[in-house]
Amino acid sequence: DTAVSQTPKYLVTQMGNDKSIKCEQNLGHDTMYWYKQDSKKFLKIMFSYNNKELIINETVPNRFSPKSPDKAHLNLHINSLELGDSAVYFCASSQVDGISTDTQYFGPGTRLTVL
Amino acid sequence: AQKVTQAQTEISVVEKEDVTLDCVYETRDTTYYLFWYKQPPSGELVFLIRRNSFDEQNEISGRYSWNFQKSTSSFNFTITASQVVDSAVYFCALSGYEMGQNFVFGPGTRLSVLP
Repeated sequence: DTAVSQTPKYLVTQMGNDKSIKCEQNLGHDTMYWYKQDSKKFLKIMFSYNNKELIINETVPNRFSPKSPDKAHLNLHINSLELGDSAVYFCASSQVDGISTDTQYFGPGTRLTVL
Repeated sequence: AQKVTQAQTEISVVEKEDVTLDCVYETRDTTYYLFWYKQPPSGELVFLIRRNSFDEQNEISGRYSWNFQKSTSSFNFTITASQVVDSAVYFCALSGYEMGQNFVFGPGTRLSVLP
């Protein structure tokens, strides 16, 4: 029944490692997003995909690479993890009707801790 | 550029008090959407309301009400007869109307409702 799901919920890893976070939505939406929430709770968009195509790519290091195998999935790969990457990462999805963007629905978040 | 300000960083109230969370936004768009999201201690982001810039009618949903005023670029949120379960961080967000517009979130207001 979960509309937007993310795995894993918690991820603890060493600096320099490569890791992935998976996101799936069963809402039939065609647009998906990744957000980063820092320790002060600031939410900032990282990427947006519409029908498997990148439409927003904010200023994030190229160590972060989103991959969308189909419009229900948007995974986030992070290479060479750094201490500053520690945050909660949220996936979201929405429906775009060709003109405007609908409400974004969020996954439960993945808390990444880099040691 | 779009910007959302939530000047109240933290608010504490005693149960059953009414509380208003302020949201002021900046945008050059003539059409846009405004949102409120709730982030309880469990961490997920819960959608509360979406309002488009054409509709300035106030909205009430149970103990929640929203006051949208274009003249002051504000979209304030009031909780009537607050309850302990209302304790959360509340985010106001702004989105452009057209496809590809990303969300801009305010910094959030942490509401603590004390028994």
